[in-house]
Amino acid sequence: QSVLTQPPSAAGTPGQRVTISCSGSRSNIGTYGVSWYQQLPGTAPKLLIYDYNQRPSGVPDRYSGSKSGTSASLAISGLHSDDEADYYCAAWDSSLNAFYVLGTGTRVTVL
Amino acid sequence: EVQLVQSGAEVKKPGESLKISCKVSGYTFNSQWIAWVRQMPGEGLEWMGIIYPRDSDTRYSPSFQGQVTISADKSISTAYLQWSSLKASDTAMYFCARLLGGSGNRVDYWGQGTLVTVSS
Repeated sequence: QSVLTQPPSAAGTPGQRVTISCSGSRSNIGTYGVSWYQQLPGTAPKLLIYDYNQRPSGVPDRYSGSKSGTSASLAISGLHSDDEADYYCAAWDSSLNAFYVLGTGTRVTVL
Repeated sequence: EVQLVQSGAEVKKPGESLKISCKVSGYTFNSQWIAWVRQMPGEGLEWMGIIYPRDSDTRYSPSFQGQVTISADKSISTAYLQWSSLKASDTAMYFCARLLGGSGNRVDYWGQGTLVTVSS
């Protein structure tokens, strides 16, 4: 049902930069802001980025977001072992009855 | 401080009914959408539906329409997710969350999750 497509996995070594893509359409990413969530094993998701590149208080600036057309990206720079988690993009979608859609998720592994 | 506190883990048999809760505090419950999100074992997050407590406007994602019922009690700032007849495939972690609409839309607060296990 998800209309936001992410790669299933990404990996990097400590200190590297990792980028995760999120592909959508005009009715979601093409029109509305994108948010990103981090889910550590066994915990609830946590908001990392909203409105493409805004960080809530407390989220380090190692996390950054961007958008181009109907796709968005999350970049993690200076990769740490505690960045190992699942990451989900999400967006408002004007075509959906329940307004919002979550991405398929990307597991980031720190090698 | 905004908090969403969910009810505890449940173990049920197929065919039984269940209602889990999400108690909200720290903001005006009526003023923001509350969402429910499913996560099946080893799988990703799925958007189930939302409710606007002020007028009980409720919307479901197609996969969940007719399968669950979302409701809210404004008097006790609590949202609910319920099943009338559980199936083994309902086994999952369920999260409630606050959805902010408009410019800068985002899910900014999440409950801790309620694990539902359905097994004979």
